[in-house]
Amino acid sequence: AQKITQTQPGMFVQEKEAVTLDCTYDTSDQSYGLFWYKQPSSGEMIFLIYQGSYDEQNATEGRYSLNFQKARKSANLVISASQLGDSAMYFCAMREGVDRDDKIIFGKGTRLHILP
Amino acid sequence: SQTIHQWPATLVQPVGSPLSLECTVEGTSNPNLYWYRQAAGRGLQLLFYSVGIGQISSEVPQNLSASRPQDRQFILSSKKLLLSDSGFYLCAWSVLLGAPYEQYFGPGTRLTVT
Repeated sequence: AQKITQTQPGMFVQEKEAVTLDCTYDTSDQSYGLFWYKQPSSGEMIFLIYQGSYDEQNATEGRYSLNFQKARKSANLVISASQLGDSAMYFCAMREGVDRDDKIIFGKGTRLHILP
Repeated sequence: SQTIHQWPATLVQPVGSPLSLECTVEGTSNPNLYWYRQAAGRGLQLLFYSVGIGQISSEVPQNLSASRPQDRQFILSSKKLLLSDSGFYLCAWSVLLGAPYEQYFGPGTRLTVT
């Protein structure tokens, strides 16, 4: 079974609109972390935002916020006031536990296109 | 500040030839190191990770291997490349010194096997 599911392979959004990128996860651990990364066409992976499983408030970083719904195992990324530069591939990822050799598992990604 | 380097940036190799991709990290000690592969338009596949010198864990069986000869050096190798080895190879590091334990990625190597 997939650990991280991103159901939107691609999205087209008008500039300045808000965007929600979906992510659901599967884990039996109580302690885990959720991440979102952005990959522009250059290929670099840019860390955007993190949510810990014990964090009571949704994480926010500038125009990025993470809508964390623990009971639903959902960690959607919300981008407010989208910009043309937001066009990129977006990956949701999860780290289970906090042991040294724990790995981050990535979803298959959502390609976001911002339209002028 | 921490920096991660990968080279070469692009590589075109014939089938059956050997491969060596290098990744080095600066500005941190005893990091976890990771090799990922990304096929065109696809997600990231974890290939290897290392929690210390000489300690390598393989995630998928394949004709690739990894080595960590020094604390901040991670090498991905192959004795004979296959066409299916083409892709974008990313090296990443992380340290478990407190949340959020995110991974930082290098610029990547784009490998084309012909």
